[in-house]
Amino acid sequence: DQQVKQNSPSLSVQEGRISILNCDYTNSMFDYFLWYKKYPAEGPTFLISISSIKDKNEDGRFTVFLNKSAKHLSLHIVPSQPGDSAVYFCAASAFDKSNYQLIWGAGTKLIIKP
Amino acid sequence: GAVVSQHPSRVICKSGTSVKIECRSLDFQATTMFWYRQFPKQSLMLMATSNEGSKATYEQGVEKDKFLINHASLTLSTLTVTSAHPEDSSFYICSARGGGATDTQYFGPGTRLTVL
Repeated sequence: DQQVKQNSPSLSVQEGRISILNCDYTNSMFDYFLWYKKYPAEGPTFLISISSIKDKNEDGRFTVFLNKSAKHLSLHIVPSQPGDSAVYFCAASAFDKSNYQLIWGAGTKLIIKP
Repeated sequence: GAVVSQHPSRVICKSGTSVKIECRSLDFQATTMFWYRQFPKQSLMLMATSNEGSKATYEQGVEKDKFLINHASLTLSTLTVTSAHPEDSSFYICSARGGGATDTQYFGPGTRLTVL
């Protein structure tokens, strides 16, 4: 049972346009969400996160939106640049006392076209 | 952001030998460290979670006697692949986080293991 879903395995976007990556989750106990970017043969790099008490968090070209009622979050990249081509993973966590777990989506491969 | 290093970045070994991979948090104390495995064109697969000074918690299907994890200090965890076989060839990634509820999980650069 996938608790975090990224339904688009790949996405192609023109350079300079907005890239929107989507993520859905099923567990209402998740209270913290993160986006990671991964290049081939490298470890994931943390991009941006959002707490469940917020609905938006912005950092430069990256903005994450959280819709708790829909259990949906999205990552917006604007403007998209060639270096943004990578696989993007959505992850969700729940922290209960000393128990912490990060649940990963399957990833979306973003391709930025020149 | 915080830095997590892994060593070696690439290792080739003969079947039947053991390989140790080190994971270090360079500028923060890692209360919890994680070991992942990634097969080509697939997502990350969590192998085990370890808290400093405690035994690692392995995910279902991961052999704890084959993948030995030691988290002896707040900055170092090791993964030893014992009696490696060609099917153990993979990309192994460690990550680390502090003890706070919203502490970010930072990843190492990964280790490419090839077993001949």
